Amino acid sequence: KQEVTQIPAALSVPEGENLVLNCSFTDSAIYNLQWFRQDPGKGLTSLLLIQSSQREQTSGRLNASLDKSSGRSTLYIAASQPGDSATYLCAVPTGVGTYKYIFGTGTRLKVLA
Amino acid sequence: GAVVSQHPSWVICKSGTSVKIECRSLDFQATTMFWYRQFPKQSLMLMATSNEGSKATYEQGVEKDKFLINHASLTLSTLTVTSAHPEDSSFYICSARDTGGDKAFFGQGTRLTVV
Repeated sequence: KQEVTQIPAALSVPEGENLVLNCSFTDSAIYNLQWFRQDPGKGLTSLLLIQSSQREQTSGRLNASLDKSSGRSTLYIAASQPGDSATYLCAVPTGVGTYKYIFGTGTRLKVLA
Repeated sequence: GAVVSQHPSWVICKSGTSVKIECRSLDFQATTMFWYRQFPKQSLMLMATSNEGSKATYEQGVEKDKFLINHASLTLSTLTVTSAHPEDSSFYICSARDTGGDKAFFGQGTRLTVV
């Protein structure tokens, strides 16, 4: 059974720092991995989607990498800003061709001004 | 981008009553929608898959008679929490798969509080 874990559970950093969020999954037979942002009491915003054939995706200050063989993905946030404060979730589909997701435990990020 | 709208965004109801939550895809068709539940400080857990024109499929441990799902059109799925109890208080989020694309989009969620 697929399990998704995120480390650290919480992170507090001063503004301007570069930071890395980690996501681990137990079953490497995934066909994509997605990173989401969730603001308190709100729904999800998709940040980056990496297909299994890709090693990384970039969007602005965000870069996500995927290493299927080791069951890991990282989300790199460059030059963090207070507006980046949120919970970051990674998720993998439950199977091939499905849009049902198993979510990680999340990392609560706080960027201090 | 594609928008999924949930209504209401929050609701408070008395124990024993039923509450209906709507999930609408505003600018795309969705033959499949998904309902998730998120308890405080926990991650999202998939409850059920809503299929347009057919019965929903529920994840293990989710009571189908308590969480009624109806997907009567290509843009609307509803989740009804029947005979709600305080332990049903949670954040419910839907997602909708764009039938013509390769992504699922998430709604803004509904905060249910049962008192």
